[in-house]
Amino acid sequence: GDSVTQMEGPVTLSEEAFLTINCTYTATGYPSLFWYVQYPGEGLQLLLKATKADDKGSNKGFEATYRKETTSFHLEKGSVQVSDSAVYFCALRTQGGSEKLVFGKGTKLTVNP
Amino acid sequence: NAGVTQTPKFRILKIGQSMTLQCTQDMNHNYMYWYRQDPGMGLKLIYYSVGAGITDKGEVPNGYNVSRSTTEDFPLRLELAAPSQTSVYFCASSTTGLAVRSYNEQFFGPGTRLTVL
Repeated sequence: GDSVTQMEGPVTLSEEAFLTINCTYTATGYPSLFWYVQYPGEGLQLLLKATKADDKGSNKGFEATYRKETTSFHLEKGSVQVSDSAVYFCALRTQGGSEKLVFGKGTKLTVNP
Repeated sequence: NAGVTQTPKFRILKIGQSMTLQCTQDMNHNYMYWYRQDPGMGLKLIYYSVGAGITDKGEVPNGYNVSRSTTEDFPLRLELAAPSQTSVYFCASSTTGLAVRSYNEQFFGPGTRLTVL
């Protein structure tokens, strides 16, 4: 079945460091891909998305590019802030048009001042 | 606009007790979902609904029941609580997907933390 694999956390960085969180997926056809973020004590929020190969999603300084050839959707940010501390989830939506999402396990990011 | 609201925020149950987790959205969304999030794990879909009167099972429906009598409300029922149901429960909603390549963001509530002892 469809699945999402994220790099194991937790990840701890200093402010202004470069961030990469790896995400790979297994799915038939051409799924849509997403990054959700969960700040402490809150529900998940959509961070960015990409719906077809080579699309780049971006928001709040975060970027991710849909790579069909490597089945990947890695999240990057050039300079993290303390306020970026959160849990990040990679997710996919299957090609059939279903609204159901398949989530990865999440990667906890802590940014220290 | 309150978005998606969930009650209660926290609850402790004894084994065998029952309870209902409430979820309400004020965005007139057709789709609603219930997920559970176990420690160190991603979210798993319990049940979902594509509109009032229509519900369907997700990945982990055993031990739960749902109903959808109105567009706004989507309660989740635990009939006989078990320790394996200790988790954080999230309700979410979205508008109808109009095309294969369209995506309508899922909006999440703040969650209910449930402990079964």
